[in-house]
Amino acid sequence: AQSVTQPDIHITVSEGASLELRCNYSYGATPYLFWYVQSPGQGLQLLLKYFSGDTLVQGIKGFEAEFKRSQSSFNLRKPSVHWSDAAEYFCAVNTGNQFYFGTGTSLTVIP
Amino acid sequence: SQTIHQWPATLVQPVGSPLSLECTVEGTSNPNLYWYRQAAGRGLQLLFYSVGIGQISSEVPQNLSASRPQDRQFILSSKKLLLSDSGFYLCAWSVETGGRETQYFGPGTRLLVL
Repeated sequence: AQSVTQPDIHITVSEGASLELRCNYSYGATPYLFWYVQSPGQGLQLLLKYFSGDTLVQGIKGFEAEFKRSQSSFNLRKPSVHWSDAAEYFCAVNTGNQFYFGTGTSLTVIP
Repeated sequence: SQTIHQWPATLVQPVGSPLSLECTVEGTSNPNLYWYRQAAGRGLQLLFYSVGIGQISSEVPQNLSASRPQDRQFILSSKKLLLSDSGFYLCAWSVETGGRETQYFGPGTRLLVL
């Protein structure tokens, strides 16, 4: 069965430090991959997506993600975190028939 | 550009009362529409999706129902709310192009059933 795993429920980083949020998927073919961000009490905002081509994709707010087929991963990265990046982050997979969302990673940014 | 609206933003309802949440999309035609529930600030549970007017697919059997009376309108309803219906309800839309589909979310409705 298809699934999306975000192994880290909660991550704390210092402002200015680098960030990597992990996402692994289970699917027989290459899926379409997404990262969303959710601030408290808000809807999900699309950060970036991967359909095909260059495996390193750039998104909004300085985020990037890299698709690694061999590891079935699509990790989200940011070189320098800002306090405003504190939020919940969701990885999602579209298999062509359905969307699957991970359970989210909550990011805390400390000054 | 496309915009998605949800209302109300917040709702407090007593157990056993009816529910109607509305979602509308602007700036696109024939979107796929989705209702999700997010409990306790965690993962998303797909409730319903629709690929066209009057076409509703239910993912989770429960006391909720959905309707799509117009192309860009999606309504979530209940005849009698349960305590367990409390949560954050998100509407989303998508358009598929060449097999590639991206979902875009509305601002959400927070429902508290007392």
